[in-house]
Amino acid sequence: DADVTQTPRNRITKTGKRIMLECSQTKGHDRMYWYRQDPGLGLRLIYYSFDVKDINKGEISDGYSVSRQAQAKFSLSLESAIPNQTALYFCATSDSRDTGELFFGEGSRLTVL
Amino acid sequence: GQNIDQPTEMTATEGAIVQINCTYQTSGFNGLFWYQQHAGEAPTFLSYNVLDGLEEKGRFSSFLSRSKGYSYLLLKELQMKDSASYLCAVMDSNYQLIWGAGTKLIIKP
Repeated sequence: DADVTQTPRNRITKTGKRIMLECSQTKGHDRMYWYRQDPGLGLRLIYYSFDVKDINKGEISDGYSVSRQAQAKFSLSLESAIPNQTALYFCATSDSRDTGELFFGEGSRLTVL
Repeated sequence: GQNIDQPTEMTATEGAIVQINCTYQTSGFNGLFWYQQHAGEAPTFLSYNVLDGLEEKGRFSSFLSRSKGYSYLLLKELQMKDSASYLCAVMDSNYQLIWGAGTKLIIKP
């Protein structure tokens, strides 16, 4: 089983719908991240959390919200999806005691029609 | 602003050697990472450099020059499975990762 698990892996939805992407990890890491990846662009940080009570906006947080339900769970919500949120979304974790190496989930491909 | 530059695409031959360059301008420096990403898959960690010099790990090596804001990833004895994108990322003074757009490496037989 993967150490960082994302659900769903693929989702097609319509404009205006609310979508939640979930991430859970068994690595025991304190830090969790949500990134999106678009063709030709680097990974862009949406939100990150250094522990359960610490949530921070990344460079592209508009239109997104997150919830850190437990150390092992970090979910990303799109309150009202729009077509330009069509992308590949990655959850990642890291250990604050380590170098900062990220461990990624398998990705969630979201298509907004 | 903060910036990571790497070539968009490179082509190399199976069995050969290829060097992928990365230059960066960031607010502070707390390490440089290289990740490999096969199409449609998650990035996976390849290397970490925080001090100047060369780090060797099997067929892959990574070099860092902090004074020049420069790194390269060297892949030897290329195999078809090395066809992937290679992502350079720098950790800035706030311990945030700044990512390059990635270099797509195409290996030809």
